[in-house]
Amino acid sequence: KQEVTQIPAALSVPEGENLVLNCSFTDSAIYNLQWFRQDPGKGLTSLLLIQSSQREQTSGRLNASLDKSSGRSTLYIAASQPGDSATYLCAVTVNNAGNMLTFGGGTRLMVKP
Amino acid sequence: NAGVTQTPKFQVLKTGQSMTLQCAQDMNHNSMYWYRQDPGMGLRLIYYSASEGTTDKGEVPNGYNVSRLNKREFSLRLESAAPSQTSVYFCASTWTSGGGETQYFGPGTRLLVL
Repeated sequence: KQEVTQIPAALSVPEGENLVLNCSFTDSAIYNLQWFRQDPGKGLTSLLLIQSSQREQTSGRLNASLDKSSGRSTLYIAASQPGDSATYLCAVTVNNAGNMLTFGGGTRLMVKP
Repeated sequence: NAGVTQTPKFQVLKTGQSMTLQCAQDMNHNSMYWYRQDPGMGLRLIYYSASEGTTDKGEVPNGYNVSRLNKREFSLRLESAAPSQTSVYFCASTWTSGGGETQYFGPGTRLLVL
């Protein structure tokens, strides 16, 4: 059974700092990996999707990498801002599994002004 | 486009009561999903519908039933609510179940079972 773990569970940084969020998964037979953002009391918003054949994806100040063989992904946030404060979730899609997502527990990020 | 909408936003039930959570999407997506989110456990898949007319169990289907009413709507029913079903429920949709596209999520329904 696929298991997804995110470390740390919570992170507090001062504004302007570059930071890295970590995600690991136990079964390397994934179709893709996605990073989501969740604001308090809200739904999930997709940030980046990395196909299994790709090594990284970038969107603005966000960069996500994928090392499928080692079962790891990182989300790099450059020059963090208070507006980046949210919970970040990673999720993997298992091959031939109806596009079902298996989620990690999330990292709760607070960026202090 | 409204995207994925869910009703109600909040609900309080007594143990043993029944209710249906509604979900609709206007993106012409074929696949729809129901997840529940509990503190410290991330999101877990309850049921999904790869296409209109089909439904399949996810990781935690016990105590729930679903109906894919048409291409737009996918409902989740609790026949006899239990306190263990207190959670936040999210509906999601995507274009197909086999293409690995991103999923779009609704705002969630917060359910408290007393």
